[in-house]
Amino acid sequence: DTEVTQTPKHLVMGMTNKKSLKCEQHMGHRAMYWYKQKAKKPPELMFVYSYEKLSINESVPSRFSPECPNSSLLNLHLHALQPEDSALYLCASSPRGWGGTDTQYFGPGTRLTVL
Amino acid sequence: AQKVTQAQTEISVVEKEDVTLDCVYETRDTTYYLFWYKQPPSGELVFLIRRNSFDEQNEISGRYSWNFQKSTSSFNFTITASQVVDSAVYFCALSDTGFQKLVFGTGTRLLVSP
Repeated sequence: DTEVTQTPKHLVMGMTNKKSLKCEQHMGHRAMYWYKQKAKKPPELMFVYSYEKLSINESVPSRFSPECPNSSLLNLHLHALQPEDSALYLCASSPRGWGGTDTQYFGPGTRLTVL
Repeated sequence: AQKVTQAQTEISVVEKEDVTLDCVYETRDTTYYLFWYKQPPSGELVFLIRRNSFDEQNEISGRYSWNFQKSTSSFNFTITASQVVDSAVYFCALSDTGFQKLVFGTGTRLLVSP
């Protein structure tokens, strides 16, 4: 089973709202990722957690705050977003906590609209 | 710096035609991994294949086949007897050993008409 789940599927929020995206995997994977994908573009890496520790932050604005409460769960807290943050947010996981050799398995994504 | 080029932005074919999606990559590393992902309209990226730089054997999986040629830095993907369900955006990606990053190409949108 290579399933990564994400909730919610769709989210509409105002610029002053605070919301969270949730990602879950039960494959025993030790690395989890957040990507942002704008329309007609490839995914862009935002954050990587390896063994529940933040190992990569791709200079993402502080209005995006990741959290990894345990090895199965990854959250992305959103606050004071801008309309240009509207995108598909994809979560992924991979078996090992390190290395670029791993296959990343992606969830279905959350389509975020910021008004 | 690493780079993945998918020169075909969009390809349209009629069902049952064969179609090849091109992928050309650049890297200075001797050890690296290449991937293909499929992204249907639903949005999820579906893993198709991973190939390491030491394994140049071509691979076939059902109607899908991949041709890896280090001499031309290419990792092309062929769908034989295409079907409407193959309509999606296909991404080629490159990963460095020691890094947890995927460098994606810009994707090729494949439209298969009945």
